[in-house]
Amino acid sequence: AQTVTQSQPEMSVQEAETVTLSCTYDTSESDYYLFWYKQPPSRQMILVIRQEAYKQQNATENRFSVNFQKAAKSFSLKISDSQLGDAAMYFCAYSNTGKLIFGQGTTLQVKP
Amino acid sequence: SAVISQKPSRDICQRGTSLTIQCQVDSQVTMMFWYRQQPGQSLTLIATANQGSEATYESGFVIDKFPISRPNLTFSTLTVSNMSPEDSSIYLCSVPGHGAKGYEQYFGPGTRLTVT
Repeated sequence: AQTVTQSQPEMSVQEAETVTLSCTYDTSESDYYLFWYKQPPSRQMILVIRQEAYKQQNATENRFSVNFQKAAKSFSLKISDSQLGDAAMYFCAYSNTGKLIFGQGTTLQVKP
Repeated sequence: SAVISQKPSRDICQRGTSLTIQCQVDSQVTMMFWYRQQPGQSLTLIATANQGSEATYESGFVIDKFPISRPNLTFSTLTVSNMSPEDSSIYLCSVPGHGAKGYEQYFGPGTRLTVT
């Protein structure tokens, strides 16, 4: 069975600095997708960035980028120029059948 | 991405009662997913709802406790039956994207349920 692990329950970053959130996963599949979702206190799940496993190039969306290491089964999220609005719970997720399997989440605090 | 709404946004219910949560999408989708997020926890898939067929439940979730309806391609309901305080959670529906983004999932705003 596939699993997703986020080993950092909480992280903090100074405003305008860079922070990296870690995620590892386990799967025997070769084709799959990985995602990072953001959940602010409003509880709305927001898709931040996605990565197709067949693509070697790391995905980038504005200030958000990933470091995808397929052999190591690692998928970290880098947030550059952190803003107060980035404060939220971040979930790493895996999918290869349409169903999402989530990690435990990392709470990100942004300090002014 | 799809626009998804859920009703109610929150509710406080007595134990032993049932609550039906509605999920409405602004476009037709084949699959809809229902997730549960217990307090301070991650999201866990309850079931996949396909139009015209029975929902497919994940391990640990049963139809008697979480009956699901899917009457058309834009609407689904999840009922939480015979509630206990352990059912206090956020319940979210999600749908896949269209076309080339079919592998992405978009979520409704969630329903916060408190059982007393």
